[in-house]
Amino acid sequence: AQKITQTQPGMFVQEKEAVTLDCTYDTSDPSYGLFWYKQPSSGEMIFLIYQGSYDQQNATEGRYSLNFQKARKSANLVISASQLGDSAMYFCAMRESGLSGAGSYQLTFGKGTKLSVIP
Amino acid sequence: NAGVTQTPKFRVLKTGQSMTLLCAQDMNHEYMYWYRQDPGMGLRLIHYSVGEGTTAKGEVPDGYNVSRLKKQNFLLGLESAAPSQTSVYFCASSYPSPPGAGGDGNIQYFGAGTRLSVL
Repeated sequence: AQKITQTQPGMFVQEKEAVTLDCTYDTSDPSYGLFWYKQPSSGEMIFLIYQGSYDQQNATEGRYSLNFQKARKSANLVISASQLGDSAMYFCAMRESGLSGAGSYQLTFGKGTKLSVIP
Repeated sequence: NAGVTQTPKFRVLKTGQSMTLLCAQDMNHEYMYWYRQDPGMGLRLIHYSVGEGTTAKGEVPDGYNVSRLKKQNFLLGLESAAPSQTSVYFCASSYPSPPGAGGDGNIQYFGAGTRLSVL
């Protein structure tokens, strides 16, 4: 079973609108972290936002927020007021604690969602 | 503000040739990682290091070797390149922070990537 599932290969959003990118995860570890990275066409991986499994509140970083629903094992990224520069691939990733036997150092990535912002 | 620097940015090899990819970070991070990214996939961990002089295997280590002689540098070697190693290689680094329980959860900061083609 995939540990990170991103079901939307591609998404379109109108400039200045909000968009939600879906991510579901699978782990039996009680302690884990969830991350979103942005990869523009230039290729670099840019960290956007992090959510810890014990964090009570949803993480926010500027126009980015993470909608964390622990019981549903989802960690959707919400981008408000989309800009043309938001066009990129977006990857959801998870780091497990290793308490249940899984590796504790690597990030496990989903396959990504390509977001295109339309002017 | 160099962060994580990878050299070279591009390389073309013939099957059987060897090469070394260099990663340097100036953030005094303990942990360093090498990932590969193939088309349509997220990143997969090749090897990682939790400190100077220590290395460990990740998810896809076969055909690669690594060394961490200095804290700020992490080298990835291909002894006998194969076409299956055509990929984009990313180096990352992080502080040793536990996932989930506060802190930054081990946010990994990435270099710009090295695009390697093996003919």
